[in-house]
Amino acid sequence: DAKTTQPNSMESNEEEPVHLPCNHSTISGTDYIHWYRQLPSQGPEYVIHGLTSNVNNRMASLAIAEDRKSSTLILHRATLRDAAVYYCIRSPYNTDKLIFGTGTRLQVFP
Amino acid sequence: GAVVSQHPSRVICKSGTSVKIECRSLDFQATTMFWYRQFPKQSLMLMATSNEGSKATYEQGVEKDKFLINHASLTLSTLTVTSAHPEDSSFYICSAPTPLNTGELFFGEGSRLTVL
Repeated sequence: DAKTTQPNSMESNEEEPVHLPCNHSTISGTDYIHWYRQLPSQGPEYVIHGLTSNVNNRMASLAIAEDRKSSTLILHRATLRDAAVYYCIRSPYNTDKLIFGTGTRLQVFP
Repeated sequence: GAVVSQHPSRVICKSGTSVKIECRSLDFQATTMFWYRQFPKQSLMLMATSNEGSKATYEQGVEKDKFLINHASLTLSTLTVTSAHPEDSSFYICSAPTPLNTGELFFGEGSRLTVL
């Protein structure tokens, strides 16, 4: 049970921002929120993770709702190379074991 | 460059044979590694946790005698699919946590197994 809910697919145009939502309404206080993405025929790639505060890195931003029941991955300017399946995963703080849900397939159009 | 490497990337075998897939952590040690399988157009399914120096921990429904896991060293875990059958054809992926304790997992490139 992945315990997160994401839309099956989303579309974006190149160079536009993309907001990928994730619901995790049953999250516990010590669960982290992780985002990974997977390009076709490749292993997943780490994107970002957070606990309570919003997080930024070179790839993306993670906005976490105040009640932590949802989060949004923000790609500030989508490129064609960002087309992938994006997985939102909640995981207890004391484990590296990740249970993947179905993810969101992002299509980026030129 | 890749920090977790899998070999082979593709393998085709006959039904009934065994296939070994290697997962190596490059430039870091991994006492724990994870094995996943992924069928076409589906998500990753966790198969087992590979533990250096002890037995692997298998997820519910995964046959441990079918999928043999050996964590031979701090940089190598192997998955052997024994007596492979066409239904075992899948994309097998391993992962290892970064030693930097940043919460990030490194994933291998994946190994595509086709059983004829």
